Amino acid sequence: RKEVEQDPGPFNVPEGATVAFNCTYSNSASQSFFWYRQDCRKEPKLLMSVYSSGNEDGRFTAQLNRASQYISLLIRDSKLSDSATYLCVVNKSGYNKLIFGAGTRLAVHP
Amino acid sequence: GAVVSQHPSWVICKSGTSVKIECRSLDFQATTMFWYRQFPKQSLMLMATSNEGSKATYEQGVEKDKFLINHASLTLSTLTVTSAHPEDSSFYICSASAQSSYEQYFGPGTRLTVT
Repeated sequence: RKEVEQDPGPFNVPEGATVAFNCTYSNSASQSFFWYRQDCRKEPKLLMSVYSSGNEDGRFTAQLNRASQYISLLIRDSKLSDSATYLCVVNKSGYNKLIFGAGTRLAVHP
Repeated sequence: GAVVSQHPSWVICKSGTSVKIECRSLDFQATTMFWYRQFPKQSLMLMATSNEGSKATYEQGVEKDKFLINHASLTLSTLTVTSAHPEDSSFYICSASAQSSYEQYFGPGTRLTVT
């Protein structure tokens, strides 16, 4: 079983749609959680950290469910510029290491 | 702040030659640097972790004699792919973190093509 699993997609949605991505992780002792965004042939960029209380940044909302070892990302009012691959990332417990999911591809169309 | 650069951004080399990739933290001291590899449509895979002045720690399955890592200063780490083969063609990305921080700052990546 992979340490971080994501639905690869692609998710094809129209502009203005709301889309949700899910992610599960296998190590219950993981401590830090993130969503990164990666554009084609570019490096990943931090979108937001994920906290147990849930957090929101503009149109983006992230949730963490430690009991279910589940992380989600909700994007509201999708823009064309949101088209990218979204990576679920987990910090390996006790180590300064990040474990990346394979990513979920989002394509927003007019 | 927290800018990481990589050089070169892309390189094409012949099979059997060696290629060196540089990773620099431009505005902070990176006590730890990480090297990742990403094949098309796959996730980033951590290859090794290096701390300044220490030997790199390689992930399982990564040949330390093939992928030489040097982290001689707090702002520079290098990855040398020795005797490159076409299967080494990939996107190599470094990241850097400051002391006591889990946050990693990524370089723009180096696309290596071995012919």
